[in-house]
Amino acid sequence: DAGVIQSPRHEVTEMGQEVTLRCKPISGHDYLFWYRQTMMRGLELLIYFNNNVPIDDSGMPEDRFSAKMPNASFSTLKIQPSEPRDSAVYFCASSSRLGNTDTQYFGPGTRLTVL
Amino acid sequence: QKEVEQDPGPLSVPEGAIVSLNCTYSNSAFQYFMWYRQYSRKGPELLMYTYSSGNKEDGRFTAQVDKSSKYISLFIRDSQPSDSATYLCASREYGNKLVFGAGTILRVKS
Repeated sequence: DAGVIQSPRHEVTEMGQEVTLRCKPISGHDYLFWYRQTMMRGLELLIYFNNNVPIDDSGMPEDRFSAKMPNASFSTLKIQPSEPRDSAVYFCASSSRLGNTDTQYFGPGTRLTVL
Repeated sequence: QKEVEQDPGPLSVPEGAIVSLNCTYSNSAFQYFMWYRQYSRKGPELLMYTYSSGNKEDGRFTAQVDKSSKYISLFIRDSQPSDSATYLCASREYGNKLVFGAGTILRVKS
């Protein structure tokens, strides 16, 4: 199993540009999570999906952020327009369920720098 | 106030020491408690999992939950340089999302 796959691994962009982060969850997992990690705020949940449907997007910081999951094997997180304060590591994670024994498997992350 | 509070450290110990990592939480409905380990420039990975109060041991690692005081602990015996990482505690209600602490940076010196 290849695990959760994220691309790109690093992204450097200029303020105002559109950024798209991509995630391929583990096959068979029904839940997909997008997190953001910074030194100041730690690991924050942005949004999660169940069976491709967004369940909770209360962590999405503002309208500049959007996430989609068009099918069970692919999700995107888009920031438009990007700002320097969006600089962080963005993780995608997947799990088979939200029950008591599920484990969230994290991808390697995308390190985003907005200049 | 964050739902899960964790001292970010860093915590620096000599090789072989016993390490104690701690978190507190505020949500009485939390039933499931996890510890994730994150190596530098990697994603977090599940280390230990505990349901409700009590202890759970796995090799050199012991996870402890005290629901009466809302306190979560991870003990590492005979710490090794390879244990150097960030340790994140996390809690959840049944069927709900995980809430993470800020993470504690641990450095084990050889």
